[in-house]
Amino acid sequence: GAGVSQSPRYKVAKRGQDVALRCDPISGHVSLFWYQQALGQGPEFLTYFQNEAQLDKSGLPSDRFFAERPEGSVSTLKIQRTQQEDSAVYLCASSLEGPRTEAFFGQGTRLTVV
Amino acid sequence: QKEVEQNSGPLSVPEGAIASLNCTYSDRGSQSFFWYRQYSGKSPELIMSIYSNGDKEDGRFTAQLNKASQYVSLLIRDSQPSDSATYLCAADVLLGPNSGGGADGLTFGKGTHLIIQP
Repeated sequence: GAGVSQSPRYKVAKRGQDVALRCDPISGHVSLFWYQQALGQGPEFLTYFQNEAQLDKSGLPSDRFFAERPEGSVSTLKIQRTQQEDSAVYLCASSLEGPRTEAFFGQGTRLTVV
Repeated sequence: QKEVEQNSGPLSVPEGAIASLNCTYSDRGSQSFFWYRQYSGKSPELIMSIYSNGDKEDGRFTAQLNKASQYVSLLIRDSQPSDSATYLCAADVLLGPNSGGGADGLTFGKGTHLIIQP
């Protein structure tokens, strides 16, 4: 596609429920990033893929968070047993060659845990 | 903790004037710097990248980088009301002990809220 596509745009989950957020990067982009953005804050790094390899997951806040990109294209961020503090906008970005090249963001998924 | 610092504002600038946004970063190893614009309720939009010391101009936007001072700035000339947004500064950093092969990501500042007054 022309840009990074994320789905769903909005997700309301009951506390304890598992959720899966999808990211479809720009075609041909090797690198894919997940960020979490709280209200009034800048995006916070969660994890980074180069093709199908997850090269950095140091930003994942707990072992309830899991990300995958099995075929080096679409990625899924999964949050198990959601908690209220997980409520945020989850942003996906992709870049052509790596973290030092220009990264383009999708529209984000706004997750609200009730 | 590798940080990018920005004044949160709001920064209020009259229409037609120059808006100057500033950013400092802590990681001397950072090599790539980016400015993103984010409208309320929207995702960040890349407006400028800069990799070398000096100025880089693109239309009404000029990015400035001073690696010795660890300082990045964005100038917006002939400011328009449509420029009113939050501007995020980002720098590439080496993140986490489990980074493999020198992989890294972007650290963002909290953003500066810019208001252009008609």
